[in-house]
Amino acid sequence: NAGVTQTPKFRVLKTGQSMTLLCAQDMNHEYMYWYRQDPGMGLRLIHYSVGEGTTAKGEVPDGYNVSRLKKQNFLLGLESAAPSQTSVYFCASSETRVQPQHFGDGTRLSIL
Amino acid sequence: TQLLEQSPQFLSIQEGENLTVYCNSSSVFSSLQWYRQEPGEGPVLLVTVVTGGEVKKLKRLTFQFGDARKDSSLHITAAQPGDTGLYLCAGEGNNNDMRFGAGTRLTVKP
Repeated sequence: NAGVTQTPKFRVLKTGQSMTLLCAQDMNHEYMYWYRQDPGMGLRLIHYSVGEGTTAKGEVPDGYNVSRLKKQNFLLGLESAAPSQTSVYFCASSETRVQPQHFGDGTRLSIL
Repeated sequence: TQLLEQSPQFLSIQEGENLTVYCNSSSVFSSLQWYRQEPGEGPVLLVTVVTGGEVKKLKRLTFQFGDARKDSSLHITAAQPGDTGLYLCAGEGNNNDMRFGAGTRLTVKP
């Protein structure tokens, strides 16, 4: 069982560069989420999606964009990376908004 | 904003000891989840509690939801090195969303 798969696992960017993080789930879940995890701050929700073709802002959406063109995929984009976006990014999915979430193993992103 | 405060932030104990970690809020939650996260991996669900006063046991782990549904505790009996990890609580908030605490980082030394 693959569950939730995130690519890439690691990435180093220079300030101003752009990139896209990919999340794929094989559980047919409607809900998908992108979080960032920083020391001492726990998981903070960036954006989420309640189904194919939908997206919504979370707690810390600025500087990020997302797309959910296919039910199984949820993409997180950084248009112009900033050092403050250095973090570990987690994707998750769930059957409903408050059902337990299944997480990927994270993408460690460093922006110099 | 419904905040979840977890304490202690860090805990280091010897194998065989007992411990309790806490998840507190000033807000009422419809349900609360506990996750464990190991280094280099994503959080994995341990348990969900939904009823005030509810107690759930998972082998050596005992979870309790406060009577007023504002707080929860996790007690581990006879801790083992395999229990090492970051313990996160997450509560269902007013907007039908889940909010995570910052976690308790537990280290169990052999």
